[in-house]
Amino acid sequence: QSALTQPPSASGSPGQSVTISCTGTSNDVGGYTYVSWYQQHPGKAPKVVIYEVTNRPSGVPDRFFGSKSGNTAFLTVSGLQAEDEADYYCSSNAGINTFVFGTGTKVTVL
Amino acid sequence: QVQLVQSGAEVKKPGASVKVSCKASGYTFTSYGIHWVRQAPGQGLEWMGWISPYSGNTNYAQNFQGRVTMTTDTSTSTAYMDLRSLRSDDAAVYYCARDLGLLPGYWGQGTLVTVSS
Repeated sequence: QSALTQPPSASGSPGQSVTISCTGTSNDVGGYTYVSWYQQHPGKAPKVVIYEVTNRPSGVPDRFFGSKSGNTAFLTVSGLQAEDEADYYCSSNAGINTFVFGTGTKVTVL
Repeated sequence: QVQLVQSGAEVKKPGASVKVSCKASGYTFTSYGIHWVRQAPGQGLEWMGWISPYSGNTNYAQNFQGRVTMTTDTSTSTAYMDLRSLRSDDAAVYYCARDLGLLPGYWGQGTLVTVSS
């Protein structure tokens, strides 16, 4: 299965919002309600910030918002803070017990 | 709290095998699946496969079929990933992660595997 497509980079000033897209097909993003988003700081393990398209794990600020339309999922980070600067990856179910990651987006806080 | 602790860094020669362990705590081990994901230096995340500790059922990504085996030991709440016939492009950080909403949710700290002659 092919990787989901994300923009390589995105940026915003502190306090602004940034939205990252994750485009797949009807065989993955468009066909399931299992989409997760991960934040990864350099040298660290990924951390889930959104699961099942819209759900935030406990401890994740409500500045992180997930949504989906057709074959594309979105992660919006509002009220950007310096600590939000990281790589972000999406992931989706792509069949029975089969999963695929996105290509990754580097978010820069200007 | 959910915790996954992985084994330490490994250095292997091309053609060898590596076995990475992942010890789980803080939840009922057999109630959630375990994913294995790798990340080559400077690259993105690559899903390798999934195992159900409850049933032992596995599903491997096409890129790894025939070369990877995932197992669990429910008596010690430990998952294992065995990758054979290592090549230089297998050098990566290997992560285990517990299901959250089917997808990887809670991650181990990662295990660096270096492949060098």
